[in-house]
Amino acid sequence: GESVGLHLPTLSVQEGDNSIINCAYSNSASDYFIWYKQESGKGPQFIIDIRSNMDKRQGQRVTVLLNKTVKHLSLQIAATQPGDSAVYFCAENEAGGFKTIFGAGTRLFVKA
Amino acid sequence: KAGVTQTPRYLIKTRGQQVTLSCSPISGHRSVSWYQQTPGQGLQFLFEYFSETQRNKGNFPGRFSGRQFSNSRSEMNVSTLELGDSALYLCASSSQVDEQYFGPGTRLTVT
Repeated sequence: GESVGLHLPTLSVQEGDNSIINCAYSNSASDYFIWYKQESGKGPQFIIDIRSNMDKRQGQRVTVLLNKTVKHLSLQIAATQPGDSAVYFCAENEAGGFKTIFGAGTRLFVKA
Repeated sequence: KAGVTQTPRYLIKTRGQQVTLSCSPISGHRSVSWYQQTPGQGLQFLFEYFSETQRNKGNFPGRFSGRQFSNSRSEMNVSTLELGDSALYLCASSSQVDEQYFGPGTRLTVT
């Protein structure tokens, strides 16, 4: 079956350091991948996305890397700040599937 | 532009009852998706609607149903509630099924 999972359920980093959150996916037909951030009491918030014809995409302080060979996705956050503390989800869409599958989530703690 | 709104925000129901949750998407968005979020199962896809048509659904029993109206507003219904239906129900809207904007969710507690 289809699944999107995460290697590390909890990540603790020092303020100012870079964070890397990893994700594995299993559906080879997925062609669109997204990272979401969810803070306590709120719905998930879009961070960055990437399509399967790319292997890297950069945003403001965030970079997403996609390795289709090993079905791996990662989110890099530069100069992590206390406000980055949240749960991060990777998600995947299959082309024409009209369905988003979410990973289990990784909780990021930023120590001041 | 107003974000996705969900009503009610909190709900307490008894086993066996039924419940209807409402979602108003961002203006202009025609795709609405519903998710169930629990600590044990994470975020699970329920169904997606576009222009009043259900285009996909997740692996949930038939007690879970939904619909979308001509103004893109959507409702989901859960009948014969079970304790395990206690969860945060999230609605997301998008112009297509790509970048989704989530509402704050409805916290349903079944006792």
